[in-house]
Amino acid sequence: EIVLTQSPATLSLSPGERATLSCRASQSVGNYLAWYQQKPGQAPRLLISDASNRATGIPARFSGSGSGTDFTLTISSLEPEDFAVYYCQQRSNWVTFGGGTKVEIK
Amino acid sequence: EVQLVESGGGLVQPGGSLRLSCAASGFTFSNYWMHWVRQAPGEGLVWISTIKSDGSVTSYAGSVKGRFTISRDNAKNTLYLQINSLRAEDTAVYYCSCIAADYWGQGTLVTVSS
Repeated sequence: EIVLTQSPATLSLSPGERATLSCRASQSVGNYLAWYQQKPGQAPRLLISDASNRATGIPARFSGSGSGTDFTLTISSLEPEDFAVYYCQQRSNWVTFGGGTKVEIK
Repeated sequence: EVQLVESGGGLVQPGGSLRLSCAASGFTFSNYWMHWVRQAPGEGLVWISTIKSDGSVTSYAGSVKGRFTISRDNAKNTLYLQINSLRAEDTAVYYCSCIAADYWGQGTLVTVSS
């Protein structure tokens, strides 16, 4: 089973600041890495697929990078609606999710 | 409009069983691999199980292998999860998902408690 480790667990930032979230895989997943956003009481929402491809309707302030075992989700300038929990997910070997990073208002 | 509607959750005693269903509409269900993902209260997303489009291949997370069974009926556009020998740690919202197309249901809550 591929284990995904996300860091930090919590990120305290102000609107307008840049957010950098990390996801590390226990073995290479190629570029089969996705990022999701989840808000309380809602299902996850796909932001990025295949490490760097923004999903339909996702604003350009969200970007993904990386390959192999190290990946990054960057939110260039936080909007109020971006404060949420973010998960990485690998689809290289079945499916696993990271533990999540909560982006909270500072 | 694409819809995935889960049902079958509820309160069950430890050791009990439940069968979750997920009714799909608005897309060609039989073309897609389908998945169950769960989320315990206040916790993260956890992949539980996957089934191939024709039902011929399945996979399970280690924590549920031997107790959970995924299946599908493509004629009825429905995905199932049979859950046996329920434990308190199985308490969670269970989502069905077509991950490849980013379709998710609203989830059904399973609570295991005496």
